[in-house]
Amino acid sequence: QVQLVESGGGVVQPGRSLRLSCAASGFTFSSYNMHWVRQAPGQGLEWVAVISNDGSNSYDGSDKYHADSVKGRFTVSRDNSKNMLYLQMNSLRAEDTAIYYCAKEAGVGGSYLSHWGPGALLAVSS
Amino acid sequence: SYVVTQPPSMSVAPGKTARITCGGNNIGDKSVHWYQQRPGQAPVPVIYYDTDRPSGIPERFSGSNSGNTATLSISRVEAGDEADYYCQLWDTFSHHWVFGGGTRLTVL
Repeated sequence: QVQLVESGGGVVQPGRSLRLSCAASGFTFSSYNMHWVRQAPGQGLEWVAVISNDGSNSYDGSDKYHADSVKGRFTVSRDNSKNMLYLQMNSLRAEDTAIYYCAKEAGVGGSYLSHWGPGALLAVSS
Repeated sequence: SYVVTQPPSMSVAPGKTARITCGGNNIGDKSVHWYQQRPGQAPVPVIYYDTDRPSGIPERFSGSNSGNTATLSISRVEAGDEADYYCQLWDTFSHHWVFGGGTRLTVL
């Protein structure tokens, strides 16, 4: 069965960097677009980023997109040989404090998120 | 970027029907997906592409989408349906995924 497990969360000071990882199993990882979604304490879901399966399944020539709130600071990437998804987070701010979920897109191009990991907690605090 | 609006909360008696709305400009032209999130758990899809139900989701869950409103309906509401519900769609112009603010459903 599909399994997604995030790791790399923790407490980090404002302005520092951190990389989250998501280990995927139970499906052909290289065939699916993957996402990061976050949820600040007591708040709703916020989409963070998407990366296409292997660069060929892109929308307008780009294989990745980021929410405006993280654009220029966060970068999504993947290693299909290791079935791993990553989120490199730089210049962290207090408002980036959240649970970060990795999620598998069900289909091709704007489909729904069929499977989610349990999440990794990031706290940005001095 | 495209904006979708949900009521923050609603309550319903057991056995009744809950209808949770998701509003947006001509949202009927887009595909809307719905997720259920229980406290301390990751979200789970309950409706996708407006009306389809993933395997394992009870038939009591249904969806519709027309005009400026998409709706998630839960019939014969049970205590176990108490959760936060989020609508989500893909904005084709920005290539961004968009979530509604979420609706907390309380079963009286």
